[in-house]
Amino acid sequence: AQRVTQPEKLLSVFKGAPVELKCNYSYSGSPELFWYVQYSRQRLQLLLRHISRESIKGFTADLNKGETSFHLKKPFAQEEDSAMYYCALLGFQKLVFGTGTRLLVSP
Amino acid sequence: GAVVSQHPSWVICKSGTSVKIECRSLDFQATTMFWYRQFPKQSLMLMATSNEGSKATYEQGVEKDKFLINHASLTLSTLTVTSAHPEDSSFYICSASDRGGQETQYFGPGTRLLVL
Repeated sequence: AQRVTQPEKLLSVFKGAPVELKCNYSYSGSPELFWYVQYSRQRLQLLLRHISRESIKGFTADLNKGETSFHLKKPFAQEEDSAMYYCALLGFQKLVFGTGTRLLVSP
Repeated sequence: GAVVSQHPSWVICKSGTSVKIECRSLDFQATTMFWYRQFPKQSLMLMATSNEGSKATYEQGVEKDKFLINHASLTLSTLTVTSAHPEDSSFYICSASDRGGQETQYFGPGTRLLVL
């Protein structure tokens, strides 16, 4: 069975500090991984996917198959990055979400 | 961009009544729609996948007679919670895909259900 683990429920940083939201996965096949973000009072939306290898809003995420991780990183956090972040894995034709990490960026 | 709406955004009902939630893709045709459930402080859990014109595929542990899903058109799917009980109180989220796969899903804003 596939599983996504986000060990941190809350991550609080100051503006300008680096951010790393952790995500580990368990899946027997070749995974496709995503990061979704939900800003306050807004719907869930796709932030980035590993196959795109792109940077969105300054965020990047690299798939590390050896460590089975897909951590989300940003070198300098902004207040507008405060949101709920969900890591998700697509496997066996099903999208499975982690429990989410709330990022709080303080001025 | 692709927009998915849900109606109602929140509903309160008495135990034993049935509640219908609509999910619409506003500017694209959704070949596949998904229904998720999210309890407080927990992750989204896929309940079922519906394809237009065919029966929904339910995840293990989800009662199909309890959660009736109808995908009557390429822009509308409905979830009916039948004979709702307090334990059905939750946040229900739908998503839609225009490519038939799960890799591209556009999410609705969710519907909060409270059963008294």
